[in-house]
Amino acid sequence: GAGVSQSPRYKVAKRGQDVALRCDPISGHVSLFWYQQALGQGPEFLTYFQNEAQLDKSGLPSDRFFAERPEGSVSTLKIQRTQQEDSAVYLCASSLTSSNSYEQYFGPGTRLTVT
Amino acid sequence: AQSVTQLGSHVSVSEGALVLLRCNYSSSVPPYLFWYVQYPNQGLQLLLKYTTGATLVKGINGFEAEFKKSETSFHLTKPSAHMSDAAEYFCAVTNTGNQFYFGTGTSLTVIP
Repeated sequence: GAGVSQSPRYKVAKRGQDVALRCDPISGHVSLFWYQQALGQGPEFLTYFQNEAQLDKSGLPSDRFFAERPEGSVSTLKIQRTQQEDSAVYLCASSLTSSNSYEQYFGPGTRLTVT
Repeated sequence: AQSVTQLGSHVSVSEGALVLLRCNYSSSVPPYLFWYVQYPNQGLQLLLKYTTGATLVKGINGFEAEFKKSETSFHLTKPSAHMSDAAEYFCAVTNTGNQFYFGTGTSLTVIP
């Protein structure tokens, strides 16, 4: 079956613009995660959903970042008034909720460049 | 708090040589540990994971890792490197399944 898909793959935004990044998880996957990966770094946790409920948003760096998953499938990460430090690859991952699994499937990411 | 340290941001090995990528973690409770591989412009792919049971775990593409609690380590090895192994490798830890903490990555170069 299809894996996790993300769109757009590349996004260039001028500083101050709002952007919306989309994630389509694997069908039936309950859990969905967003990560930010800066150049040369590992992914850093942003937020986590279980179905439509956002259970953890402790990693969101500021109130300019907002994520939603209204129907428990597709998720959108929105960044308002983008800043240069927001330039990064944004990764989405999904997983089945099953005990002792914790296996995440990652999408290819959206590379955001803020100019 | 949990964290992951990957020693060596760049590792070079000759084709056919042993691959050893180091990962040390800190966790206040028994962790679940993972190794992921990332090829250019792609997402992360799971190589292997340790959750419970046998401490030596085998993954895809001939990789394996051993969980050593006393050393808080989860080093990744492969007996014989192949050109296709050249990629970025990330170690990750979680103890809740909700938040995963990744290391900064190790870039593996394979020299023909």
